[in-house]
Amino acid sequence: NAGVTQTPKFQVLKTGQSMTLQCAQDMNHEYMSWYRQDPGMGLRLIHYSVGAGITDQGEVPNGYNVSRSTTEDFPLRLLSAAPSQTSVYFCASSRQGGRYGYTFGSGTRLTVV
Amino acid sequence: SQQGEEDPQALSIQEGENATMNCSYKTSINNLQWYRQNSGRGLVHLILIRSNEREKHSGRLRVTLDTSKKSSSLLITASRAADTASYFCATEGNSGYSTLTFGKGTMLLVSP
Repeated sequence: NAGVTQTPKFQVLKTGQSMTLQCAQDMNHEYMSWYRQDPGMGLRLIHYSVGAGITDQGEVPNGYNVSRSTTEDFPLRLLSAAPSQTSVYFCASSRQGGRYGYTFGSGTRLTVV
Repeated sequence: SQQGEEDPQALSIQEGENATMNCSYKTSINNLQWYRQNSGRGLVHLILIRSNEREKHSGRLRVTLDTSKKSSSLLITASRAADTASYFCATEGNSGYSTLTFGKGTMLLVSP
């Protein structure tokens, strides 16, 4: 099993550009989440999904969109990138929510200039 | 908002010593989890303790939970240089869909 795969690993965007961060898992996990990690901070939840077709907002959803058309994929879209979105983004998945622990991807380091 | 707050923010010890990290949280939880993050990498799940448990062990890890004080501790015994990493506590709430809320982490440095 590959676990949780995130692409790309690094990305530089100009302010106002849009892009999609990809996340795929092959463990048939129902729950998937996107977090961002900023220096000196823990992880903050952006959006999450409890199954295909179901998504909801987390703590910091503004400027991001998600969709969950399949169990395996949970892409994160930046609509119009801003310097405040410079961060490291992590995708995570879990069976039936956090009670069994989350499996994390290796992250996408995004810089918006 | 951050749910968990780890203490200390940074900890430096010698190989062979024990490392203790603490986590406090604010609201009722279903469970509390600890994760490790090596520099520049993703988080790795270490151990989960449910709200009705008081202590749990896994290898060199020992976790305690005191729900009356809304606090937890992670003890790593006989630390190794390879334990150098950041450690995060995360809580799963007990209302609505379960998501994890993370603290800011403790940075552990284990010197040979």
